[in-house]
Amino acid sequence: DAKTTQPTSMDCAEGRAANLPCNHSTISGNEYVYWYRQIHSQGPQYIIHGLKNNETNEMASLIITEDRKSSTLILPHATLRDTAVYYCIVRLAGGSGNTPLVFGKGTRLSVIA
Amino acid sequence: DSGVTQTPKHLITATGQRVTLRCSPRSGDLSVYWYQQSLDQGLQFLIQYYNGEERAKGNILERFSAQQFPDLHSELNLSSLELGDSALYFCASSPGTGYGYTFGSGTRLTVV
Repeated sequence: DAKTTQPTSMDCAEGRAANLPCNHSTISGNEYVYWYRQIHSQGPQYIIHGLKNNETNEMASLIITEDRKSSTLILPHATLRDTAVYYCIVRLAGGSGNTPLVFGKGTRLSVIA
Repeated sequence: DSGVTQTPKHLITATGQRVTLRCSPRSGDLSVYWYQQSLDQGLQFLIQYYNGEERAKGNILERFSAQQFPDLHSELNLSSLELGDSALYFCASSPGTGYGYTFGSGTRLTVV
């Protein structure tokens, strides 16, 4: 699976949009971008994933650049409960491979009141 | 409630002992994954089972073993425990290989 690079930490004011970047310059054509988060010692929580098109769900939006070498996770209106470590993971999906999710160090997002 | 059940939630045991952690996957999920998270460390993949068969192995020590039973629940056995084995152990499940995971709330193991 392609390697990802994320900033170690970020701050965001409550109510503002949180934009979390991720670089994955070695991503291959059949690899998806996944985002998970972990709120203080809880089990990681799936947020969103995408291949090449931008994706949106009730939690967040995922913007993938046209060359697919980077992406941004957007939390539109961050709340204190969004304070967590956010992981960007690139991997094969849809049954094409058995590679498990490999977590890096992620980005520690602190939402400030 | 994610639908993935891990028991026990907390476990305190002495060095040299053996423990078993249990995971019941979300209904319908065939794959089970085990992860270890030590204090201030990242999530380390240990092992994956799919429909009863081992599918992938990560940084799992020889003192650790796992299995997935016909009813799809899984157990992670940790033996000859050392202080360094103290960690959170997470189980996750998915419908099959290559899909997103649902994680349980973890078992916190403390070795004293």
